[in-house]
Amino acid sequence: AQSVSQHNHHVILSEAASLELGCNYSYGGTVNLFWYVQYPGQHLQLLLKYFSGDPLVKGIKGFEAEFIKSKFSFNLRKPSVQWSDTAEYFCAVASKAAGNKLTFGGGTRVLVKP
Amino acid sequence: SAVISQKPSRDICQRGTSLTIQCQVDSQVTMMFWYRQQPGQSLTLIATANQGSEATYESGFVIDKFPISRPNLTFSTLTVSNMSPEDSSIYLCSALPMAGDGNTIYFGEGSWLTVV
Repeated sequence: AQSVSQHNHHVILSEAASLELGCNYSYGGTVNLFWYVQYPGQHLQLLLKYFSGDPLVKGIKGFEAEFIKSKFSFNLRKPSVQWSDTAEYFCAVASKAAGNKLTFGGGTRVLVKP
Repeated sequence: SAVISQKPSRDICQRGTSLTIQCQVDSQVTMMFWYRQQPGQSLTLIATANQGSEATYESGFVIDKFPISRPNLTFSTLTVSNMSPEDSSIYLCSALPMAGDGNTIYFGEGSWLTVV
């Protein structure tokens, strides 16, 4: 069975600071990896995704993530955050073997102080 | 991509009643899923909605409590039966489009249910 672990439950940082959110998954086969964001009071939105190819994936709003297969990791990064990046971030994994069902990590709440 | 609409977007429900949530996708999709997001928690998959057949439920979820229909390739419903306050959650519909950008799963805006 596939599973996802996000190590940071809460992150507080100031504007212009750099952000890195950890995500590790557990599954031995081929996976698709996603980061979703949920802004306060809003619905879930896709930030970026990895299916294959270049392991460094760029998404919307200046976010990027790096797939490191040997570490089963897909960490999310942003070099300089803004107050508007305050949100909850979810890492998720899906595989064809598991019926393309998304399994989510526990989420990381990010608060950016102005 | 796919645009997914859910109704109702919010509701306050009486204990013991049932509510059906509708999910409409603007294009044909191969797979549809229903998730639950309890307050302050992550998303948990309830079931995969199968077209023309019974849904496939995840561990801990049963058809009697969460009956699901999927009559065609663009529509599904989830019913939350005999509700209790513990069922207060956001219920999200998601779908995997037939055409487009690979295996990206899209989500509706969610249906926020409060059971009193």
